[in-house]
Amino acid sequence: DIQMTQSPSSLSASVGDRVTITCRASQGISNYLAWFQQKPGKAPKSLIYAASSLQSGVPSKFSGSGSGTDFTLNISSLQPEDFATYYCQQYNSYPLTFGGGTKVEI
Amino acid sequence: QVQLVQSGAEVKKPGASVKVSCKASGYTFTTYFMHWVRQAPGQGLEWMGIINPGAGTTNYAQRFQGRVTMTRDTSTSTVYLELSSLRSEDTAVYFCAREGPAAAEDYWGQGTLVTVSS
Repeated sequence: DIQMTQSPSSLSASVGDRVTITCRASQGISNYLAWFQQKPGKAPKSLIYAASSLQSGVPSKFSGSGSGTDFTLNISSLQPEDFATYYCQQYNSYPLTFGGGTKVEI
Repeated sequence: QVQLVQSGAEVKKPGASVKVSCKASGYTFTTYFMHWVRQAPGQGLEWMGIINPGAGTTNYAQRFQGRVTMTRDTSTSTVYLELSSLRSEDTAVYFCAREGPAAAEDYWGQGTLVTVSS
């Protein structure tokens, strides 16, 4: 199975900050990488697919990059609604696997 | 608009089985695969498997092989997840998620809490 390692596991930030979350795959996955946002008690929300493409309706403050084994999610100008847990997921091969999550706190 | 509506919370005893449903609307049901993902309390996301609603074919995560069955009813645009031989570690919220045109999940159900307790 492909292991996905996210860092940091949590971070503290302020409104207006720019944050970066990294995700590393244990083997190359080309660009088959997705990012999800999850708020407490809610279903995940799809943000990015193919490492850098925004899902429909997702604001451009979210951006993704990377290929192969190393990926990043950037969130510019944090707003109160952006405080949540973010997960990466590889969908290069079964079983699909998720990173452990990054909790973005105020 | 695409909607995935899941069945309600369940409480089961150890050793029992549970069947969770996910009713799709707003798109052609047989066109897009459906994933099942679970999340134990306070934990991360865990992929369980995928079903092709058109053909009915499935691919399960190895750790659930023998205990999980995913099926679909094309007449009602509903997919089902059945998990047997339940144990306390199966207590979790179970989500269905559609695999969109780009092969990544794009829409998610609201989740179904399954509690396994004696």
